[in-house]
Amino acid sequence: GDSVTQTEGLVTLTKGLPVMLNCTYQTTYSPFLFWYVQHLNEAPKLLLKSSTDNKRTEHQGFYATLHKSSSSFHLQKSSVQLSDSALYFCALSPNYAQGLTFGLGTRVSVFP
Amino acid sequence: NSKVIQTPRYLVKGQGQKAKMRCIPEKGHPVVFWYQQNKNNEFKFLINFQNQEVLQQIDMTEKRFSAECPSNSPCSLEIQSSEAGDSALYLCASSSQGRGTEVFFGKGTRLTVV
Repeated sequence: GDSVTQTEGLVTLTKGLPVMLNCTYQTTYSPFLFWYVQHLNEAPKLLLKSSTDNKRTEHQGFYATLHKSSSSFHLQKSSVQLSDSALYFCALSPNYAQGLTFGLGTRVSVFP
Repeated sequence: NSKVIQTPRYLVKGQGQKAKMRCIPEKGHPVVFWYQQNKNNEFKFLINFQNQEVLQQIDMTEKRFSAECPSNSPCSLEIQSSEAGDSALYLCASSSQGRGTEVFFGKGTRLTVV
């Protein structure tokens, strides 16, 4: 069935360092991938989305490229800030009726 | 900021009690989703609607959970007989039609079953 795998449960790092969060997926449909960010006690918000192979998409300093050959959509940022501390979810839209299939999420903690 | 409004933010119920939560989707969005996010932050799809009609729901929803999205009224999710395992954050979300459109989430209702 359709699934999303995020390999890191927790990532801790110092402000100013780069970060990469892994996301791979399985689907029988043409993939549509999303990254959502959820800050403490806040609603999950869309960070990035893509369905175009090998095209980098960027928003608020974060970027990701959908690679259909490796079924991946890794999230990256060159220099993390304290405000980037949050939960990050990779999600797949396998078909219209069921909405999003989420990975287990990666908690990012940024320290001064 | 999200325009999906969920009430109440917190709900405490005893086992066996009914628990009801409401959601006002973003204006103009015909598709509404309910997800359960457990203490490990895992999302579980419960049910979704398009223009008040159920599109898909999981088995759990069919047995103890009931949901509706009447026109001109808030959507609602109700647990008929709460169990300890139902303690979670219930997230409502809405979107326009079609794959790939952004899904907008509310802040959720945190249910604690004691």
